[in-house]
Amino acid sequence: LAKTTQPISMDSYEGQEVNITCSHNNIATNDYITWYQQFPSQGPRFIIQGYKTKVTNEVASLFIPADRKSSTLSLPRVSLSDTAVYYCLVGDIGNQGGKLIFGQGTELSVKP
Amino acid sequence: AAGVIQSPRHLIKEKRETATLKCYPIPRHDTVYWYQQGPGQDPQFLISFYEKMQSDKGSIPDRFSAQQFSDYHSELNMSSLELGDSALYFCATKAGRSEAFFGQGTRLTVV
Repeated sequence: LAKTTQPISMDSYEGQEVNITCSHNNIATNDYITWYQQFPSQGPRFIIQGYKTKVTNEVASLFIPADRKSSTLSLPRVSLSDTAVYYCLVGDIGNQGGKLIFGQGTELSVKP
Repeated sequence: AAGVIQSPRHLIKEKRETATLKCYPIPRHDTVYWYQQGPGQDPQFLISFYEKMQSDKGSIPDRFSAQQFSDYHSELNMSSLELGDSALYFCATKAGRSEAFFGQGTRLTVV
């Protein structure tokens, strides 16, 4: 399983773009990269998932370089409600069952 | 839209008692994962099931067991509870190559 490394914490202000980078040097060929958001005492919530290049949805973008050893979650124009812990997970999404391993997430604090 | 349902949401047990946590998946989801999250900690993978068969095990104590039933709901059974078992317990379910969806968790307090 690919181990992930993220910054422990980040600070931002409302309206700014936030980029959180995750390192996963030993990512396997079949692995996808998935990001989750978690608020205190709530279950993690899916944000975005990708395999390579760029993926965009209504809430975020995910940038994955060609070597796939890292990925960057981009949150455009954050608001106070984006204050949460963000987790990067790497794994084979086609694996029936298996493990979804959480590493140490990034605690994002958005200030007014 | 239907989500992953966990019950109960809160549970208080005494040391050495037994607890059963339940997880009801989104329809047609055939994979379930269980996690334990202590205060200020990241979710720790416990165990997973696919099509009612155990798929993988993580840091699940021997005092804990789990199963996935024919209707795909899952139960986590915890015996001889210890104070250190106090935590949030999440289950997540998925189907095929979809992302995993998490329930809102069960907060277990052992006193």
